[in-house]
Amino acid sequence: GAVVSQHPSRVICKSGTSVKIECRSLDFQATTMFWYRQFPKQSLMLMATSNEGSKATYEQGVEKDKFLINHASLTLSTLTVTSAHPEDSSFYICSAGGDRRNQPQHFGDGTRLSIL
Amino acid sequence: DAKTTQPPSMDCAEGRAANLPCNHSTISGNEYVYWYRQIHSQGPQYIIHGLKNNETNEMASLIITEDRKSSTLILPHATLRDTAVYYCIVALSGTYKYIFGTGTRLKVLA
Repeated sequence: GAVVSQHPSRVICKSGTSVKIECRSLDFQATTMFWYRQFPKQSLMLMATSNEGSKATYEQGVEKDKFLINHASLTLSTLTVTSAHPEDSSFYICSAGGDRRNQPQHFGDGTRLSIL
Repeated sequence: DAKTTQPPSMDCAEGRAANLPCNHSTISGNEYVYWYRQIHSQGPQYIIHGLKNNETNEMASLIITEDRKSSTLILPHATLRDTAVYYCIVALSGTYKYIFGTGTRLKVLA
């Protein structure tokens, strides 16, 4: 079945570091990918929609300069958390929907980001 | 805001059917109902989706009411590995953004 790969699965780094997370659709092309954030015991919160070849669309309250999204190809989107601080520590999850209208989204296994 | 409401938690005995309800009273005619589940520290796993008709696959069955204002996910023979948070989502398609509600935490009891 459709697979979405997310890398890395876990990152621990110092405050002020920028961290890049990759999301790949392995067996289908995705013009649209999505990035979510999830805090402990909470639901997934949509951060932004990543559009291949154009700018990402950010949800209200999400800082576009803090969370840089690049979707340079039909199989890869990246999320860069710039100058990360402890409050950015969270579980980040990407998803990709197929190009056919009836296809569901498939999710990566998430990246646990811990900022010290 | 999420367009779905689900009970926060449910218990089910192992081997019995688990019936998870979802209300989506404001669903529009061209929106699908998607079900996912999330096991701790993993990404959501796709289960099933439907538009109007009931659907069945190897994992579950989806029953959508005739007025489409609610649906039920049925796990026919729940196992301990089905313990997870189950999310019901309404969206135009898989290429459209999903807004997650709070989901139902299902605990399957031995």
